[in-house]
Amino acid sequence: QQQVKQSPQSLIVQKGGISIINCAYENTAFDYFPWYQQFPGKGPALLIAIRPDVSEKKEGRFTISFNKSAKQFSLHIMDSQPGDSATYFCAASNFNKFYFGSGTKLNVKP
Amino acid sequence: EAQVTQNPRYLITVTGKKLTVTCSQNMNHEYMSWYRQDPGLGLRQIYYSMNVEVTDKGDVPEGYKVSRKEKRNFPLILESPSPNQTSLYFCASRLDRVGEQYFGPGTRLTVT
Repeated sequence: QQQVKQSPQSLIVQKGGISIINCAYENTAFDYFPWYQQFPGKGPALLIAIRPDVSEKKEGRFTISFNKSAKQFSLHIMDSQPGDSATYFCAASNFNKFYFGSGTKLNVKP
Repeated sequence: EAQVTQNPRYLITVTGKKLTVTCSQNMNHEYMSWYRQDPGLGLRQIYYSMNVEVTDKGDVPEGYKVSRKEKRNFPLILESPSPNQTSLYFCASRLDRVGEQYFGPGTRLTVT
């Protein structure tokens, strides 16, 4: 049983468009929700993270929207660029345990 | 340079032959974790450590062992590897419970 469900599995966006990736969770004890970006052959790297007492967090072109009542959170990438092409993972954490979504492979077309 | 290193990066072995994947971090981080990454499953946490001599099971600990005798090192041990442990393994560390998690470059393990 997957603790964090992520969609879509893959996403194709035109340069300049908005990329949106969604995640849902069940465990209300989760208190930290990071997003990671992974390029081929590399380890994941933290992109942006949010805590459940905040509904939105923005860092540059990346925004997390968090809906506590729906137990959902999403990543928005504004003005998507070819360099954003990578696999994105959402995650949820409770104390020391981390649970990851299955990943979204984003392809930004020039 | 602040980093998490893993060795080896690639390993092909046979069923039942004990192996160790090393992980080291130079950031004086308290917390370290091991993950495995499989297609369609994302990353799954195997074990984590909150400090020297303090370790606990993650989501998929069966078939793995860890130890934390020094703060900087967190080796992953497969005492009797099986083909279902063929995967991409990542070590990660973070300063404290709320700190950013830094991942190593990964170790691709194939068990035949």
